[in-house]
Amino acid sequence: DIQMTQSPSSLSASVGDRVTITCRASQSISSYLNWYQQKPGKAPKLLIYAASSLQSGVPSRFSGSGSGTDFTLTISSLQPEDFATYYCQQSYSTLPYSFGQGTKLEIK
Amino acid sequence: QVQLQESGPGLVKPSQTLSLTCTVSGGSISSGSYYWSWIRQPAGKGLEWIGRIYTSGSTNYNPSLKSRVTISVDTSKNQFSLKLSSVTAADTAVYYCARVGFREAFDIWGQGTMVTVSS
Repeated sequence: DIQMTQSPSSLSASVGDRVTITCRASQSISSYLNWYQQKPGKAPKLLIYAASSLQSGVPSRFSGSGSGTDFTLTISSLQPEDFATYYCQQSYSTLPYSFGQGTKLEIK
Repeated sequence: QVQLQESGPGLVKPSQTLSLTCTVSGGSISSGSYYWSWIRQPAGKGLEWIGRIYTSGSTNYNPSLKSRVTISVDTSKNQFSLKLSSVTAADTAVYYCARVGFREAFDIWGQGTMVTVSS
């Protein structure tokens, strides 16, 4: 199975900050990497698919990059509604799909 | 637009079978080339993929659960279902159904349903 490791596990930041979350795969997954945002009591929401493609309706302050084993999610200017937990997920050809452990983004 | 809604018992006894259904509305489950998945999340923990089904009935399961999981589809009712047998407290979680979209990202999710395993 492919293991996904996110860093950091938690992060404190302020409104307006630029934030980067990293996701590393245990083997190359090309660009088969997706990012989700989850708020308490809610289902995850797809933000980025195929490493860098913005899902329809997602603000442009979210961006993704990377390929192979190393990926990043960047929020260019944090907004109050962005404080949430973020997950990466690999969808490479080898099942099972797997998720990172999550990064909790909190208000400083 | 397409929406998903999970339904089923919120309480299951240990050793019994957990059964959930996901109803697809706003579109046909058979339209497009989509897989449909189940994912779960224990309280305060991360996400675990359980399995997926294509509308032809073809399935793939997480090896960690494969011996206990069955996913089926009923295209006439626009639904797909999850059965998890021999449950224990470790199966207590919020269970989500989701559509597997482009590049196999989960692009549409149900709201989730909490299932507690307890006697």
